[in-house]
Amino acid sequence: DAMVIQNPRYQVTQFGKPVTLSCSQTLNHNVMYWYQQKSSQAPKLLFHYYDKDFNNEADTPDNFQSRRPNTSFCFLDIRSPGLGDAAMYLCATSTQETQYFGPGTRLLVL
Amino acid sequence: QKEVEQNSGPLSVPEGAIASLNCTYSDRVSQSFFWYRQYSGKSPELIMSIYSNGDKEDGRFTAQLNKASQYVSLLIRDSQPSDSATYLCALSGGSNYKLTFGKGTLLTVNP
Repeated sequence: DAMVIQNPRYQVTQFGKPVTLSCSQTLNHNVMYWYQQKSSQAPKLLFHYYDKDFNNEADTPDNFQSRRPNTSFCFLDIRSPGLGDAAMYLCATSTQETQYFGPGTRLLVL
Repeated sequence: QKEVEQNSGPLSVPEGAIASLNCTYSDRVSQSFFWYRQYSGKSPELIMSIYSNGDKEDGRFTAQLNKASQYVSLLIRDSQPSDSATYLCALSGGSNYKLTFGKGTLLTVNP
């Protein structure tokens, strides 16, 4: 089945230790998104790619970076995680306006 | 700046009743509207999209859109305990394919 896959589903890291979250899709969608969601809050868009065109939200901290080496894969790098970065990280894809979410990665920072 | 307002709830309804979830928005150029369901600890799941004024039905779900009044609603008929979740309203109106989300309404269906 066509889908959006995120790995790992749970990630524990130490304060300041870099971490990479991955997302892959079999939908062949040209747009991919990374969201951060904290408890009882709406998903917050961090960045999105339209094909290889990278779009950074104005309030996304520099600590967050992203890579999209090809259509299928997208990575979120957190260079120096802080306690405030503990959250669910959601990857989504779309061809037009309808977005489909992966299962998410729960990040815990110790 | 688009704003999307939802009553955070919790909205509590008995099993079998109709649950009514509402969403208002500030940006008149918004064209596409979505309802996502999110179970605790899980990712959002698309349940309805609506683009034109009026009603759109899909099984037990009905989305209603009124662009003049800038609101969109979701009705869930014959509510089941498995419908207990947070429902996120989202809208899109530009060419950048970005969604603006509301904070969600927590629905609890009591057996």
